[in-house]
Amino acid sequence: DAGITQSPRHKVTETGTPVTLRCHQTENHRYMYWYRQDPGHGLRLIHYSYGVKDTDKGEVSDGYSVSRSKTEDFLLTLESATSSQTSVYFCASSGQEQETQYFGPGTRLLVL
Amino acid sequence: QKEVEQNSGPLSVPEGAIASLNCTYSDRGSQSFFWYRQYSGKSPELIMSIYSNGDKEDGRFTAQLNKASQYVSLLIRDSQPSDSATYLCAVITGGGNKLTFGTGTQLKVEL
Repeated sequence: DAGITQSPRHKVTETGTPVTLRCHQTENHRYMYWYRQDPGHGLRLIHYSYGVKDTDKGEVSDGYSVSRSKTEDFLLTLESATSSQTSVYFCASSGQEQETQYFGPGTRLLVL
Repeated sequence: QKEVEQNSGPLSVPEGAIASLNCTYSDRGSQSFFWYRQYSGKSPELIMSIYSNGDKEDGRFTAQLNKASQYVSLLIRDSQPSDSATYLCAVITGGGNKLTFGTGTQLKVEL
């Protein structure tokens, strides 16, 4: 399995607060992804990256931004957290197009 | 119509039986298909990937793909209690690298 870590693993924050989640991978994978998982919706893609400084929107990108300044790091930022962004966030990475995506352990975010 | 559909379950099978999990997808141009297993509170982990029509076997697991019917399935032979989890079907749709997930089927293997 790819070495993917996420930090923090748990976070409680208040509405209107900015939040940044970090994903770090040690596999030198080109592609990285951020998903959120909610009951009844499954995993949904927020943003993804196909290289350093190359990112694109996914299915549920409103309210989120990302940055990738190094191959190994992919940051997800909630500029002003809302209660609807309470979720479990997973990062994933893959080496090539159409190949398996490997997931990090997830971050549980609660927005009060 | 959802892009990837699965029966949410729960699917209950006795220990030692064959569990059959099914998934349909809407994008006829899809080329890559994956089954992930997710234990409660954990992250998804890959079980099988399949890219060509037919069967692909790996130990107790067999993935089956039928592109004409837009159908992919996962068979688990000799089911064990440790197989109890949610199984996620995922398809790369619309070209590129975007995975679309079904909502998952919960499998319960009973002693």
